[in-house]
Amino acid sequence: EDQVTQSPEALRLQEGESSSLNCSYTVSGLRGLFWYRQDPGKGPEFLFTLYSAGEEKEKERLKATLTKKESFLHITAPKPEDSATYLCAVQDHNFNKFYFGSGTKLNVKP
Amino acid sequence: GAGVSQSPSNKVTEKGKDVELRCDPISGHTALYWYRQSLGQGLEFLIYFQGNSAPDKSGLPSDRFSAERTGGSVSTLTIQRTQQEDSAVYLCASSKEREPQHFGDGTRLSIL
Repeated sequence: EDQVTQSPEALRLQEGESSSLNCSYTVSGLRGLFWYRQDPGKGPEFLFTLYSAGEEKEKERLKATLTKKESFLHITAPKPEDSATYLCAVQDHNFNKFYFGSGTKLNVKP
Repeated sequence: GAGVSQSPSNKVTEKGKDVELRCDPISGHTALYWYRQSLGQGLEFLIYFQGNSAPDKSGLPSDRFSAERTGGSVSTLTIQRTQQEDSAVYLCASSKEREPQHFGDGTRLSIL
């Protein structure tokens, strides 16, 4: 069965303290891996799509990487405004379904 | 431009009542998804519409749940005879085929 597991569940960082979030997955034919940011009371906001192992994408302080079994979201020198829940999702070979992890709740303290 | 719009933003109802949740997708998006998000949990897939194809209903948790999409645009998710375990945030997303989904801000449903 297709599964997505994110770790840690919660992460507290000091402003400027770099770290990484993990998303491990098992899927029968990965078509794409997606990272989203979700703020309280809001819907998820799209960040990145990764399609193949070795691919990397960057946006401001965020960098997403992909291997055959997991993806990392690296946060470099985070700021308090980076505080949010980060969700990972995989799209299976049928294109129909997206399987979401439970998310990592990031709190960056000034 | 306009994003995905969901209404109502909040809904409080009594156990046993029926509720209808509405989603207006982004214009031109052929795919539409409904998800359920319980407190502190990830998104649970409910149903998927793609163009004029038959919807993928495999995620609907019971026959009390149904959804339709009229004219390939607006979608309504209906929950009949609501139960307390139906309390959650219901999220709608739309996309062009094989592109990332764009989400609305959801309907927060509370069953008393």
